[in-house]
Amino acid sequence: GAGVSQTPSNKVTEKGKYVELRCDPISGHTALYWYRQSLGQGPEFLIYFQGTGAADDSGLPNDRFFAVRPEGSVSTLKIQRTERGDSAVYLCASSLRGGPYLYTQYFGPGTRLTVL
Amino acid sequence: SQQGEEDPQALSIQEGENATMNCSYKTSINNLQWYRQNSGRGLVHLILIRSNEREKHSGRLRVTLDTSKKSSSLLITASRAADTASYFCATLKDSYTGANSKLTFGKGITLSVRP
Repeated sequence: GAGVSQTPSNKVTEKGKYVELRCDPISGHTALYWYRQSLGQGPEFLIYFQGTGAADDSGLPNDRFFAVRPEGSVSTLKIQRTERGDSAVYLCASSLRGGPYLYTQYFGPGTRLTVL
Repeated sequence: SQQGEEDPQALSIQEGENATMNCSYKTSINNLQWYRQNSGRGLVHLILIRSNEREKHSGRLRVTLDTSKKSSSLLITASRAADTASYFCATLKDSYTGANSKLTFGKGITLSVRP
């Protein structure tokens, strides 16, 4: 089926604004991940969902960042009071299962967030 | 924080040559994976090697893992211009907790293959 999709592909916002980034995982994948990639760096883990619950949110940088996955499929990453340092590509990935299993994570194309 | 450290940071080779990229990591791992990224966007999974494996092949790719040295190498044979991309190693931590799923990436290697 279709791969992981993310919308929007690009988002430009002003400092202090609120943004929502959406991720549609591969159908049937129960695990969903958010990563953030700054210019010239590798992706950094933000949060991992198993089903509807956040199993690990240790990578969220502060309380301005929040993510939900209410029905265990689509996820939304929410950033309040955006700062210029939040500018990055936000990547979403999904896998068949999570936990200590060897399931491949499939990545979406990312959302490039620019905070002016 | 980033666990993997790839080297070299950039590599430029002629089409047809082999490309070797190295990755070192710090903690014990469950598995190590290599990803390719074009134009700073979507990551494509290339190959996964488990901690109890030493070598794995997939098409023109060969991956080795040395857990005693905490290092891995990715060899691309007979490179093509289309192999031009950034390559990342990523590790999955060795843990038995249910929350162990996050990949830790290195900073990446930029590979340029000249036609």
